[in-house]
Amino acid sequence: GAVVSQHPSWVICKSGTSVKIECRSLDFQATTMFWYRQFPKQSLMLMATSNEGSKATYEQGVEKDKFLINHASLTLSTLTVTSAHPEDSSFYICSARDAGTMSSGEQFFGPGTRLTVL
Amino acid sequence: DAKTTQPTSMDCAEGRAANLPCNHSTISGNEYVYWYRQIHSQGPQYIIHGLKNNETNEMASLIITEDRKSSTLILPHATLRDTAVYYCIVRAVYGNKLVFGAGTILRVKS
Repeated sequence: GAVVSQHPSWVICKSGTSVKIECRSLDFQATTMFWYRQFPKQSLMLMATSNEGSKATYEQGVEKDKFLINHASLTLSTLTVTSAHPEDSSFYICSARDAGTMSSGEQFFGPGTRLTVL
Repeated sequence: DAKTTQPTSMDCAEGRAANLPCNHSTISGNEYVYWYRQIHSQGPQYIIHGLKNNETNEMASLIITEDRKSSTLILPHATLRDTAVYYCIVRAVYGNKLVFGAGTILRVKS
């Protein structure tokens, strides 16, 4: 199956710093990528939809200036958490939609990035 | 996209079939039923999806009722590694988002 990677797998940072998380589709092209956040014992919450070459679409309540998303190529999207605070500590997961299976809509998920803000 | 209702948790004996139900009574004609699972501290894993016909792959079978208002995911021979949260999601064929509900915690016990 299609493989999506994330880097780093975990990161610890100080409050006020910015953290960048990368999401890559390794063996397919992804015109659309998605970013989710998951707090402990909760379900995944969609943060934004990222389309290659255009601005991301953010879900209601997600601050676009705090969570910067860039999707510069068909295989890479990045999420930057700016001025991170302890409440941003979470499990961040990306997914990518295979451009070759648009009609069935399969999405493939990365392994997630655990962010801890001290 | 239509909402889904799943039991909060289920137990299954190792080696037995695990049958996970999902209600989606407001499903529309162009909406597919998707199943994903999430093993602890990992990203979700795609299992199977279907529109109205029953589907089977190497991981599971998906049985969709004739009126499409409910479905059942079947893991034919559950193993301990199948312990995970299973999500049933309904989404339009041209839709973009996968919206996750609470899912069903499946515990496979030896």
